[in-house]
Amino acid sequence: GQQLNQSPQSMFIQEGEDVSMNCTSSSIFNTWLWYKQDPGEGPVLLIALYKAGELTSNGRLTAQFGITRKDSFLNISASIPSDVGIYFCACLSQGGSEKLVFGKGTKLTVNP
Amino acid sequence: GAVVSQHPSWVICKSGTSVKIECRSLDFQATTMFWYRQFPKQSLMLMATSNEGSKATYEQGVEKDKFLINHASLTLSTLTVTSAHPEDSSFYICSASLTYEQYFGPGTRLTVT
Repeated sequence: GQQLNQSPQSMFIQEGEDVSMNCTSSSIFNTWLWYKQDPGEGPVLLIALYKAGELTSNGRLTAQFGITRKDSFLNISASIPSDVGIYFCACLSQGGSEKLVFGKGTKLTVNP
Repeated sequence: GAVVSQHPSWVICKSGTSVKIECRSLDFQATTMFWYRQFPKQSLMLMATSNEGSKATYEQGVEKDKFLINHASLTLSTLTVTSAHPEDSSFYICSASLTYEQYFGPGTRLTVT
């Protein structure tokens, strides 16, 4: 089936440090999305990637769509306390539907 | 842009009663909306795909008679949990599709006593 392997599962960092997380798959996907979810809230779309090799930034966030179309990473630079939350990668399901396949999430804790 | 709202944000109901949750796309029209359920410390689990003007498509294992979905317009989808039981207590989140991106509502916390 279509699965996304997201790592690490959790991260504990100091404020100001850079963070990197990634998602891999055994299947090819044509769209990669990165979401952040705060406790008790719905996920918020951070970055959308549509082309293999594409590198896209959104403020302190940078994400890349792997050239093989089987992986993506998300970097956060100079982390701040409000970066705390769970980050999910997601891909559009194959077969033309608009359904998303989600990774299991990376829980980020930032110590001030 | 691309704002999705949900109402209510939380609800407590008694076993055996029904609860309706609304999902609205506020600044765009969405032909397709999705309903998810999320258990603590887990990822989102897709329950069903809601298409305007047609019947919802349910994921395997989701009871369509228990979780009634209606997509009455291009900006509104509703999820009704019928004859609720304590095991239906969960965080329910909707999303609306805009081109290839999904925008999520803030979620509804359902507690069945």
